[in-house]
Order: sequence, then structure tokens, then C-alpha cells
Amino acid sequence: GENVEQHPSTLSVQEGDSAVIKCTYSDSASNYFPWYKQELGKRPQLIIDIRSNVGEKKDQRIAVTLNKTAKHFSLHITETQPEDSAVYFCAATHRWPNDYKLSFGAGTTVTVRA
Amino acid sequence: NAGVMQNPRHLVRRRGQEARLRCSPMKGHSHVYWYRQLPEEGLKFMVYLQKENIIDESGMPKERFSAEFPKEGPSILRIQQVVRGDSAAYFCASSPEELSGKGTQYFGPGTRLLVL
Repeated sequence: GENVEQHPSTLSVQEGDSAVIKCTYSDSASNYFPWYKQELGKRPQLIIDIRSNVGEKKDQRIAVTLNKTAKHFSLHITETQPEDSAVYFCAATHRWPNDYKLSFGAGTTVTVRA
Repeated sequence: NAGVMQNPRHLVRRRGQEARLRCSPMKGHSHVYWYRQLPEEGLKFMVYLQKENIIDESGMPKERFSAEFPKEGPSILRIQQVVRGDSAAYFCASSPEELSGKGTQYFGPGTRLLVL
């Protein structure tokens, strides 16, 4: 099955700086890679996703890049703000026909210092 | 759209009791997924259901755990004879169709189960 590794486990950045979280996956047939943000005691919220037919996707201060050859994808947050502090999870689908199944990384706790 | 609803939000059970967790998917969604999250860990897939069908329960322990998604009403995750190791947050997600190219999973607020 799919195995997703996520680094770093914790990340502290100064407000206004950028934050980068990296994930690797094991199954070259995975085709969908969402990122979720989870605040303490809250539900995981989808913030951005990317499919295997594109290499990069942006949404305001958030971007995701995908390198299919190397089997890794990254989340980039620019101009960080205190409200960006949360745990971020990357995920990848399993190969068809089990591509409904998401495997999650262990999470990155991001702290934005004011 | 009310989003994915789960109840109860918090559940305390003593060892040996039963826990019933409910999930109402988003309106128009017919696919439900249950995940378990242990403290400081990522979410782990448990089971995938469509109306009246269990599609994949490979992530669910073979004993004591069961899930259903009836034609009418919410999806239910049932844990019989709970043990302390069952303490976790249980999240339900729903999607309008399978992930292969289209459906995105939206998560509910979770049920935090504590077994004493």
C-alpha cells in the first residue's frame, strides 16, 4: 500500500517568512495529493490539492509542487501569519482501484511567531 | 450546506462498554470514509462505505469494530467492548463520488472517544 513520509515534524517561522513542508510517497501510481490544515481540536480542512497531471498549483499564499519522478510533493506558505499556526497533513491516494483511500503523513506542527 | 456532521463530539466509555459514533455526510454525498487519529499522529483509514454497502474495511480491526451506512440515516461506526487502546479521535469524511479524478474528501469535526 501507499506510505507517506512528512518532514519536518515541527516548524517555527517568523511572521512574514515562508514555510515549506515536504512529503514523499511510495506508490508511483498515486494520482491525487491533498493537504489538510488542522487546528487544535478541530476538523482537518482541505487547503489545497494537486493531481498527478500538473506540477504546481497556487492559491493566494499557498502553493503545492509535485515531482512525480522523485515521488515527492511540497506545501509552500508565503508571508506567514499567526493564523497559519496549525498542524498540516499531506496525503496521497492509493493506486486504482483503491484510489479512494488516503494515506496521511504524520503531520507538521507549524508555529508562526509574531 | 451544513457540512459533514458527527455526533457525539466527545464520548466517554468504560472498558467493556459499547461506543456508537454517528456521521451524516454532506448533502448530495453518497460516499463515507472513517479514519482514526491517535494523539500526535496522522489519520489512518478504517473503512469506506456507500449507501447500504461496505466497499473496503481493510483498515478496520476484524474484531469489535463494525460500520454501516443504511439507506436512511447516518453512517454508524460501532465499537463493542471498548478497551483503553480505542481512545482516539474518529473522523468521518464524505465525497460526492470516488476520488479517481474527481471527488474530494471533506471531514467532519470528529468524535473524541475516551475509554476509562
